[in-house]
Amino acid sequence: DAGVTQSPTHLIKTRGQHVTLRCSPISGHKSVSWYQQVLGQGPQFIFQYYEKEERGRGNFPDRFSARQFPNYSSELNVNALLLGDSALYLCASSTSRQEGITEAFFGQGTRLTVV
Amino acid sequence: AQSVTQLDSHVSVSEGTPVLLRCNYSSSYSPSLFWYVQHPNKGLQLLLKYTSAATLVKGINGFEAEFKKSETSFHLTKPSAHMSDAAEYFCVVIPLSFGNEKLTFGTGTRLTIIP
Repeated sequence: DAGVTQSPTHLIKTRGQHVTLRCSPISGHKSVSWYQQVLGQGPQFIFQYYEKEERGRGNFPDRFSARQFPNYSSELNVNALLLGDSALYLCASSTSRQEGITEAFFGQGTRLTVV
Repeated sequence: AQSVTQLDSHVSVSEGTPVLLRCNYSSSYSPSLFWYVQHPNKGLQLLLKYTSAATLVKGINGFEAEFKKSETSFHLTKPSAHMSDAAEYFCVVIPLSFGNEKLTFGTGTRLTIIP
């Protein structure tokens, strides 16, 4: 069974451009979350989607947006890129239960470099 | 509100000696606590998880952690370090509530193994 897949693996963009990152969750997982990991720091929560609805949003500017599709895959969009957006972007998929999350599986990430 | 504090940014141990990575948490709810490992240029892999069952949790690769509510701690240990354990380790907390899957990461502990 395939794990969480993210594309592309690496990306170089210029300041001011727009970028779209993609994530396919594990089959059967309806929840997808996005995290930003700046070099030398722990991942920071950006968004969580469950059944195509936004369930949570971290402390990121409106330049960041996301959506989830009927097949539970997800896109993260970032507009007007800044140098500070350079980071590893991680996608996690999980199953939501009444007692809360039991495990989150992460993809390998997309390394975004803004020049 | 929830947070985790990893008390050491770097830990160095000799191969074959015990490993101790320290984590303290703060949570308004009964938390789930995880430890993830990240090898260079890799995604995050779950080592072990605590979800209000047994307080001593065993994970993969010989790691274990003990949940101590009175000390609000969830330290990660391993009896004998191996060269392959060299990596970044993250302590993670989430609330035990349906639909809320925001993972809050610590700042990470870089483990170095001395031959």
